[in-house]
Amino acid sequence: AQSVAQPEDQVNVAEGNPLTVKCTYSVSGNPYLFWYVQYPNRGLQFLLKYITGDNLVKGSYGFEAEFNKSQTSFHLKKPSALVSDSALYFCAVRGRSNFGNEKLTFGTGTRLTIIP
Amino acid sequence: GAVVSQHPSWVICKSGTSVKIECRSLDFQATTMFWYRQFPKQSLMLMATSNEGSKATYEQGVEKDKFLINHASLTLSTLTVTSAHPEDSSFYICSASRQGGTEAFFGQGTRLTVV
Repeated sequence: AQSVAQPEDQVNVAEGNPLTVKCTYSVSGNPYLFWYVQYPNRGLQFLLKYITGDNLVKGSYGFEAEFNKSQTSFHLKKPSALVSDSALYFCAVRGRSNFGNEKLTFGTGTRLTIIP
Repeated sequence: GAVVSQHPSWVICKSGTSVKIECRSLDFQATTMFWYRQFPKQSLMLMATSNEGSKATYEQGVEKDKFLINHASLTLSTLTVTSAHPEDSSFYICSASRQGGTEAFFGQGTRLTVV
């Protein structure tokens, strides 16, 4: 079974500083990895994904993530944080459920707060 | 493109009544739709997966007779919470994916409050 760990419940970063939100995963076979962002009382918005190819993936709103196979990590990064980046971030891995369906398994989420 | 619309955004109902939540893919055909439940300050818990024209497959511990899922067309799936109780109060989110697609697109969620 696949799993995702987001070790930090909360990350605080000063506006303008670089940010990193950590994610490690466990899955059989080649991983399909995703980052989503959630604003209060809203669904999830897709940020970026890694399927294959370059280990550095660029996504929406200036975010990027680095896939590291040896460390089984997929950390989310941004060079310069904005106050509007404050939200809840979920890392997810795609695998198969017990019924054989494709399913996303989410981490527990990291609340990112950008301090003006 | 790839917009998923969920309706209603919030609903309050009395204990014992049933509530239907709709999930529509507006600009693509969703061969698979997923229903999640999210508790406050927690992650998303997959409830069930539905494929168009077939019965939904439920995750372990999810009561299929309580959470009825119908995926009658390639653009619409519905979740009906039957005989709702206060413990069913939660945030319900749907997502949809295209056949052969790699990412899922999420609706805006439905806040259900059972009083």
